[in-house]
Amino acid sequence: DGGITQSPKYLFRKEGQNVTLSCEQNLNHDAMYWYRQDPGQGLRLIYYSQIVNDFQKGDIAEGYSVSREKKESFPLTVTSAQKNPTAFYLCASSPGTDYYGYTFGSGTRLTVV
Amino acid sequence: DAKTTQPPSMDCAEGRAANLPCNHSTISGNEYVYWYRQIHSQGPQYIIHGLKNNETNEMASLIITEDRKSSTLILPHATLRDTAVYYCIVRVATSYDKVIFGPGTSLSVIP
Repeated sequence: DGGITQSPKYLFRKEGQNVTLSCEQNLNHDAMYWYRQDPGQGLRLIYYSQIVNDFQKGDIAEGYSVSREKKESFPLTVTSAQKNPTAFYLCASSPGTDYYGYTFGSGTRLTVV
Repeated sequence: DAKTTQPPSMDCAEGRAANLPCNHSTISGNEYVYWYRQIHSQGPQYIIHGLKNNETNEMASLIITEDRKSSTLILPHATLRDTAVYYCIVRVATSYDKVIFGPGTSLSVIP
């Protein structure tokens, strides 16, 4: 079945270390997105990409970086510059050509200790 | 900022209809209303979408007012498994543009 795979589901890192979250989709969607969710909060957009080798900052891009070398993959790196990285991270994709909106992954819960 | 406003929380008795409101007073003519729900610690799941006509699928019904400034998601017979956060967003259907998700409505279905 087609879908979005985020890995790992849970991730623990020491403060000051960079960490990369994986997001892979086999839906042939052009656009991909990264959101951050804190307890009791909505989804805040970190980065999004509408096409391979191109991406734009969202509302809270500071301390994060992304790449889009393949259509299927949109990894997110949480750098040591991110002041409060502990959160739930969601990846989504969208074809942009149909009416069913976003497909979300199951998320990665990052805990920095 | 999100283009929609929703009540932060609602309760509904099991077996009764859950009616979740959403205001989108600045919606553009080519923007659709979408509803998603998120069960704890999972990714949001698509429920339904509509432009101006009422819509129904196996999960829910969507009622959009004639002026399109508000809508209501109806879960006809709520079950405990419908306890989740429900998000209402507006977007152009065939677009790659970013969308802002507000805090949504936390629905609690009570036995």
